[in-house]
Amino acid sequence: QKEVEQNSGPLSVPEGAIASLNCTYSDRGSQSFFWYRQYSGKSPELIMSIYSNGDKEDGRFTAQLNKASQYVSLLIRDSQPSDSATYLCAVQRGGSNYKLTFGKGTLLTVNP
Amino acid sequence: NAGVTQTPKFQVLKTGQSMTLQCAQDMNHNSMYWYRQDPGMGLRLIYYSASEGTTDKGEVPNGYNVSRLNKREFSLRLESAAPSQTSVYFCASSEWGGTNEKLFFGSGTQLSVL
Repeated sequence: QKEVEQNSGPLSVPEGAIASLNCTYSDRGSQSFFWYRQYSGKSPELIMSIYSNGDKEDGRFTAQLNKASQYVSLLIRDSQPSDSATYLCAVQRGGSNYKLTFGKGTLLTVNP
Repeated sequence: NAGVTQTPKFQVLKTGQSMTLQCAQDMNHNSMYWYRQDPGMGLRLIYYSASEGTTDKGEVPNGYNVSRLNKREFSLRLESAAPSQTSVYFCASSEWGGTNEKLFFGSGTQLSVL
């Protein structure tokens, strides 16, 4: 059973703080990693993808990947109330077209 | 720019009734997907269509059928609905379905089976 684990939260941070979201995965053949954001009652939208070990930055978001330890994380700097949402980690095995395995998501609340 | 359009947005069925969820995308994508999302379970793939004319089972296909009507449209049918199929259903599409691709999701259908 290939699993993607996330802390369900809720994770509560004050406005302006750094929010840190973590995800671990069990399949060592995983090659592609994604973070989707889902507002309450809405559909998921992709905010970050990462394929190589290390950090990838996009604006206030930084994705970090460590394949040896099988974890991927998402840092949100200068958190805003509009960042309050559920963040879904998704993992794709190398060569496994069409099939993403999603974690259950972490609910983030940013308090003004 | 509509993206991925799903209908209906809400539906209530009685056990044993049938229904079809419709999905259409206007991005000229080759691959389309049906997911279900349950509280505490995350998104799970029901069926996918790699390209027009092909469909394949995902993680949880039992109780469902799909039809890739053309490149734009991919429908999901429940032949005999069961309470266990109460869920939020999302249709999604991607350009080719390969690794590293972004999924574009529809707005979802909230289905209740009584």
